[in-house]
Amino acid sequence: GESVGLHLPTLSVQEGDNSIINCAYSNSASDYFIWYKQESGKGPQFIIDIRSNMDKRQGQRVTVLLNKTVKHLSLQIAATQPGDSAVYFCAENTGNQFYFGTGTSLTVIP
Amino acid sequence: KAGVTQTPRYLIKTRGQQVTLSCSPISGHRSVSWYQQTPGQGLQFLFEYFSETQRNKGNFPGRFSGRQFSNSRSEMNVSTLELGDSALYLCASSLESRVSEQYFGPGTRLTVT
Repeated sequence: GESVGLHLPTLSVQEGDNSIINCAYSNSASDYFIWYKQESGKGPQFIIDIRSNMDKRQGQRVTVLLNKTVKHLSLQIAATQPGDSAVYFCAENTGNQFYFGTGTSLTVIP
Repeated sequence: KAGVTQTPRYLIKTRGQQVTLSCSPISGHRSVSWYQQTPGQGLQFLFEYFSETQRNKGNFPGRFSGRQFSNSRSEMNVSTLELGDSALYLCASSLESRVSEQYFGPGTRLTVT
C-alpha cells in the first residue's frame, strides 16, 4: 500500500512565529497532494492543495512546497496563531484513492 | 450552504452486531467517500460512491459495505462488528471529480464493546 509519513508527530511554536510541517510520500506517480487541518472533535478541513506539476502554491498565510526529487511535501504557516493549533495531515492522490499521513499535532504557545 | 452531516454522532455497539451510518453530502456534491480514522492507522479510505455506484474501494474486508441513493446521500454498513472496528468514521463529499476538494463531516464515533 501507499505510505505517507510525517517527520514529526508533534510541533510546538510560539504565537507569531512561522510553522513548517513536513511530509514524505512514497509514490512518485501521485498527481495531487492536499493538506488538511483537523481540530478536536471535528472532521478534517481542507487547507490547500498542489498538483504534481507545481513546486509551490500559496494561500492565505499558508504555502505548500513540493519537492518531487526527494518526494517531500511541506506546509508553511506564516504568523502562527492560537487558532492554528490542530492536527495537520498531508494526503496524496494516486489515480483513484487518497492516502493520508498519520498527522502532526501543532501546538501554538501564546 | 450546509456542510456534510453525519448521523449518528456517537454509537456504542456490541461485538457481532451490525451498524449503519448515514452521510448527507453538501448540496450539489455527487461524490461521497468514507474513511476510518484510528489513532494507530490514521485515516484510511474505505470506499467512494458517485452517482449511486461504488467507484473505488479500499482494503477493508467485505463486512464493510456502503451504498448511495439518488439524492447522493450515502450509508455505510458494518456487519459482525469486531472490537477493532472502534473508530471515527468520516464521510467526505466533493463535487464530481476524483481529484477535487473534499469536504468532511464531523464523523461518527463508533465504539464496539
